[in-house]
Amino acid sequence: EAGVTQSPTHLIKTRGQQVTLRCSPISGHTSVYWYQQALGLGLQFLLWYDEGEERNRGNFPPRFSGRQFPNYSSELNVNALELEDSALYLCASSLSWDSPYEQYFGPGTRLTVT
Amino acid sequence: ILNVEQSPQSLHVQEGDSTNFTCSFPSSNFYALHWYRWETAKSPEALFVMTLNGDEKKKGRISATLNTKEGYSYLYIKGSQPEDSATYLCAKKDRSNYQLIWGAGTKLIIKP
Repeated sequence: EAGVTQSPTHLIKTRGQQVTLRCSPISGHTSVYWYQQALGLGLQFLLWYDEGEERNRGNFPPRFSGRQFPNYSSELNVNALELEDSALYLCASSLSWDSPYEQYFGPGTRLTVT
Repeated sequence: ILNVEQSPQSLHVQEGDSTNFTCSFPSSNFYALHWYRWETAKSPEALFVMTLNGDEKKKGRISATLNTKEGYSYLYIKGSQPEDSATYLCAKKDRSNYQLIWGAGTKLIIKP
């Protein structure tokens, strides 16, 4: 069974640019979660999608947005990049949101903003 | 407790010694407690999911207990090995919105 996949692996962008990160969940998983891990910080919750709907978002500005497609894959968009957006962005999926099931994480996308 | 708190923040343990650390969480609206291991240059990996008060789970040398009434969980590692070096994260799943609330993690370093 294929795990959660993310693309690209690494990305270098300039301040003010826009970026799109992609995530494919494990087959059969309907919930997708996005997290940010900035240098020296823990896992910060960004966004949660289930069945194509945004279920919740963390304490991030509106320039962080995303969507989930009918095949449950997801995109995270970050507009007007700032230096502090440099971080590892992790995507995770789970079987269903209203259950105790664990989340399975992808390998992450390392974003560097210069 | 308003947030999920983990202690200690970091821990150095001699190889072969046993160790444990704590996850404290708000006991209200409890649905599940997750433990994850996050090794450097890898992704977080689920260790345990516990739902019932008094639950005990074990995977090899690692075990965990859960007290939902007082809002804490312990993770135990018996006979620490270098490969146990990682950050251990706990997260409480809240019944009000089914959202995972993450702790900041305990960074475990095993000294050979």
